[in-house]
Amino acid sequence: DAGVIQSPRHEVTEMGQEVTLRCKPISGHNSLFWYRQTMMRGLELLIYFNNNVPIDDSGMPEDRFSAKMPNASFSTLKIQPSEPRDSAVYFCASSLGNTGELFFGEGSRLTVL
Amino acid sequence: KNEVEQSPQNLTAQEGEFITINCSYSVGISALHWLQQHPGGGIVSLFMLSSGKKKHGRLIATINIQEKHSSLHITASHPRDSAVYICAVYTGGFKTIFGAGTRLFVKA
Repeated sequence: DAGVIQSPRHEVTEMGQEVTLRCKPISGHNSLFWYRQTMMRGLELLIYFNNNVPIDDSGMPEDRFSAKMPNASFSTLKIQPSEPRDSAVYFCASSLGNTGELFFGEGSRLTVL
Repeated sequence: KNEVEQSPQNLTAQEGEFITINCSYSVGISALHWLQQHPGGGIVSLFMLSSGKKKHGRLIATINIQEKHSSLHITASHPRDSAVYICAVYTGGFKTIFGAGTRLFVKA
């Protein structure tokens, strides 16, 4: 299996622009997580999907952030409008079941100027 | 006080040394996960354990549920082991609490 695939790996954008990050989980995994990593706060859970349904989005910073999972093999995290404080590495991870071992993607490094 | 504490925060070792990284937690858990993150790189799962000990190559992870403590050991350390090691605990449901990480640098 190719593992969790994220795109883009790097994104540089200007404040106010829309950013869309993409994730393809491992086939057969039914849980998907979006995390954000910063130097100051470490890894933070943004949202968790189980069987394509958002279970908890309490970690989503504000209304500018939204996430979707239209099917079992694809999820997006959108930021609109983006702000410099959104600059971070965004990781997608998947697992079999919500307490199964987490498998992380390579991450998407976002820089908002 | 953080629910998951790792020590040390930073560690510099000489190649060949035996290394121990500790993780203490204050919540009830169903499992504990050790992760490795190389500079600028992704996050790789090393071990997931809920009791006892696991070994993979030069890496050994132990957990003591009663004492709420886990250790990650690296035998015969090598410069390629230089990375950040993160302890993560599953508290039930989907909630995972991450430690702040231990930054390891192994000198040749």
